Amino acid sequence: GAGVSQSPSNKVTEKGKDVELRCDPISGHTALYWYRQSLGQGLEFLIYFQGNSAPDKSGLPSDRFSAERTGGSVSTLTIQRTQQEDSAVYLCASSLASNYGYTFGSGTRLTVV
Amino acid sequence: TQLLEQSPQFLSIQEGENLTVYCNSSSVFSSLQWYRQEPGEGPVLLVTVVTGGEVKKLKRLTFQFGDARKDSSLHITAAQPGDTGLYLCAGRVASGTYKYIFGTGTRLKVLA
Repeated sequence: GAGVSQSPSNKVTEKGKDVELRCDPISGHTALYWYRQSLGQGLEFLIYFQGNSAPDKSGLPSDRFSAERTGGSVSTLTIQRTQQEDSAVYLCASSLASNYGYTFGSGTRLTVV
Repeated sequence: TQLLEQSPQFLSIQEGENLTVYCNSSSVFSSLQWYRQEPGEGPVLLVTVVTGGEVKKLKRLTFQFGDARKDSSLHITAAQPGDTGLYLCAGRVASGTYKYIFGTGTRLKVLA
């Protein structure tokens, strides 16, 4: 596609449920990043993929968070047993290579009630 | 933990005024980027600077990277309502991973 696509755009879930967030990067972009943005704040790094490998997952807040990338393309961020503090906008970005600028998706707004 | 502080946090100005937004850190960055984000959208890359002392101009926007590569500024001349948004700086550490660390953001509102 022409840009980075994220789905769903909005997700409301009950505390304790698992959620899956999807990211479709720009075709050919080898680097993929997940960030989290709390209301009106800056971005918090979660994880970086180069191809299907994740050389840096240092930003994942807890073991309830996991991510994978398959075929060097689509990535899924999974949050298990969601908590209210997980509520945020989850942004995915891709870049042609790891030293290029990012193209961001529009994000998934997650609300845990 | 690297931290990028931006100032001011909020800025409300009249159309036609000039403004400067600052991005400061105690860490050295190999490159620094500026993004603008509008409500409900992801950040959009404006510029990347890589050389200490570098100045880049993008129409009415002027970006400067500090000589020591620890700080940067964004200057907007004759601001317009279309400049309204959240401005974010992001630095890549001089060694280690390729991730960018994002600043705390400056929310700009330009009134017509």
